[in-house]
Amino acid sequence: FMLTQPRSVSESPGKTVTISCTRSSGSIASSYVQWYQQRPGSSPTTVIYEDNQRSSGVPDRFSGSIDSSSNSASLTITGLKTEDEADYHCMSYGSGNWVFGGGTKLTVL
Amino acid sequence: QVQLQESGPGLVKPSQTLSLTCTVSGDSINNGLYYWSWIRQPAEKGLEWIGRLSSTGTTDYNPSLGGRVSIFVDRSKSQFSLMLTSVTAADTAVYYCAALRGFSFDSWGPGTLVTVSS
Repeated sequence: FMLTQPRSVSESPGKTVTISCTRSSGSIASSYVQWYQQRPGSSPTTVIYEDNQRSSGVPDRFSGSIDSSSNSASLTITGLKTEDEADYHCMSYGSGNWVFGGGTKLTVL
Repeated sequence: QVQLQESGPGLVKPSQTLSLTCTVSGDSINNGLYYWSWIRQPAEKGLEWIGRLSSTGTTDYNPSLGGRVSIFVDRSKSQFSLMLTSVTAADTAVYYCAALRGFSFDSWGPGTLVTVSS
């Protein structure tokens, strides 16, 4: 299966942005979805694990959810800050394979 | 929290074997909570899972790599290693080692760039 994300999104500071991650086959609910933040030149860090659990130290402006009707997961960031500018990757598991989405570049301008 | 550090050659010739090592610190490589994993990222592209190794030595690999991958452990050195055979330019990427715990890659190394070129 594949996970499809928008290549880029942009929004202004203080606003809310939602990044989608659509699973091509199999149910999105069949395995947990994780979200990783990756700043330029750095390794990814976990933002959300098990669909909607915030990793330690991640502000509550970040939230995750899944929607079975659209077979997709979403990462929502409220009260955007310039420090949120980064690439965001979704990831899930299926058929013995850990699959990442292509990543979404979030620009906060 | 476990810390990871990749090491190995930054340049590999086409058709040769890419070999990288990841040194684990901050926890035991024998900790059954973790699967020790390799992930790569070509420039300006997304992440690709390569494979994982359990604390008992069992392995799983990404089928898209066509059987070119092996991951093995050296417990005496608290290291695990990646070998990728018959490399081409398409294997040029930043390679990360990571600790998979539950469903999430909890800890990542800083990454190492491997370029395949003659």
